[in-house]
Amino acid sequence: AQSVTQLDSHVSVSEGTPVLLRCNYSSSYSPSLFWYVQHPNKGLQLLLKYTSAATLVKGINGFEAEFKKSETSFHLTKPSAHMSDAAEYFCVVSEYTGGFKTIFGAGTRLFVKA
Amino acid sequence: DGGITQSPKYLFRKEGQNVTLSCEQNLNHDAMYWYRQDPGQGLRLIYYSQIVNDFQKGDIAEGYSVSREKKESFPLTVTSAQKNPTAFYLCASSIASGQGVQPQHFGDGTRLSIL
Repeated sequence: AQSVTQLDSHVSVSEGTPVLLRCNYSSSYSPSLFWYVQHPNKGLQLLLKYTSAATLVKGINGFEAEFKKSETSFHLTKPSAHMSDAAEYFCVVSEYTGGFKTIFGAGTRLFVKA
Repeated sequence: DGGITQSPKYLFRKEGQNVTLSCEQNLNHDAMYWYRQDPGQGLRLIYYSQIVNDFQKGDIAEGYSVSREKKESFPLTVTSAQKNPTAFYLCASSIASGQGVQPQHFGDGTRLSIL
């Protein structure tokens, strides 16, 4: 059965320091994995996606994520946080096995301190 | 520019009233989706449509209805049967999932509140 666990509901970093947002998943098949970002009162914007190609995926705004099958993880990282990165981040697992199924994590709110 | 337009941005519903949320896309996407977002929770799928004149229930379809008469449009009706409709509603679209699982493009949402 599919599931997504975002291990932290809130993460706080200082501007210029690294960001790590953690995501574990379970899936019965080979899933596609995504990270989305949501700013207040806005829709979600795609940051990056993994679809069984390279395990290190680079996304927009300097974010990247590494797919680790042995650990069933897909953590999101950024070397240096910017104030504009403050938002909510969602890890998403999708698979199509004759029927569409997508599960969203509960979200991690990122705070960036000046 | 291509994108998804949701209207209105804010909507108020009286008890016993049906309301319809609009979602229009000009991305030429076959698949469209409706999600509900509550504080502290991820998005939950209400309905989705892979093609015109066809749609399927998601995880929380009770109290909602949809139609897909045009490729560009996927309106959601929140009926009086939905007892807790206060939420942020998001519409999304994608290339048809049958061609591989695709990322979704989202509108900016409609916030529905009960008077």
